[in-house]
Amino acid sequence: AQTVTQSQPEMSVQEAETVTLSCTYDTSENNYYLFWYKQPPSRQMILVIRQEAYKQQNATENRFSVNFQKAAKSFSLKISDSQLGDTAMYFCAFMKHGGYGNKLVFGAGTILRVKS
Amino acid sequence: DVKVTQSSRYLVKRTGEKVFLECVQDMDHENMFWYRQDPGLGLRLIYFSYDVKMKEKGDIPEGYSVSREKKERFSLILESASTNQTSMYLCASSLKAGVGTQYFGPGTRLTVL
Repeated sequence: AQTVTQSQPEMSVQEAETVTLSCTYDTSENNYYLFWYKQPPSRQMILVIRQEAYKQQNATENRFSVNFQKAAKSFSLKISDSQLGDTAMYFCAFMKHGGYGNKLVFGAGTILRVKS
Repeated sequence: DVKVTQSSRYLVKRTGEKVFLECVQDMDHENMFWYRQDPGLGLRLIYFSYDVKMKEKGDIPEGYSVSREKKERFSLILESASTNQTSMYLCASSLKAGVGTQYFGPGTRLTVL
């Protein structure tokens, strides 16, 4: 079974600064996907960024980028130029490639607070 | 625009009551999911459905059942609610093909007294 670990329950960052959220996972699979989801206070969970394990290049989406280290089973999220709207709970998630159902396995989450 | 809706944002029920949580998606997605979210535990999968009338147990199905009579609607049923089922419940949907990015509803915060 796969497990996802987020070791930082809470983090804070000053507006305009850069912050990195950590995620490690455990799997024996070779083909899989990794995700970062964001859940703002009292709002819907949305996808931030996605990484395919077979791609060596790290995914980026505007101010969000990942550092994917497959051998180390590490998948950290870097947020550049942090904004107040980035305040949210961030979840790292794993999905095995193939099969039916596209099931996600989530970490416990990291609360990020952006301070002005 | 992608849309997943849930019938209630907040719900308060008594121990022993039968509780229905409804989820509707308008994206013609084959897969639908029910999770519960608890502090320090992240999201845990209760049940999922990959087609109409098809369902599979997730990691924590005990005390829950589901129903999917139509493609767009997936219901979570607590047959006899208990206090340990007080939680946030999130519904999600995804396409069967490809990566299957999941789209989430706003959640239902259920309190069982």
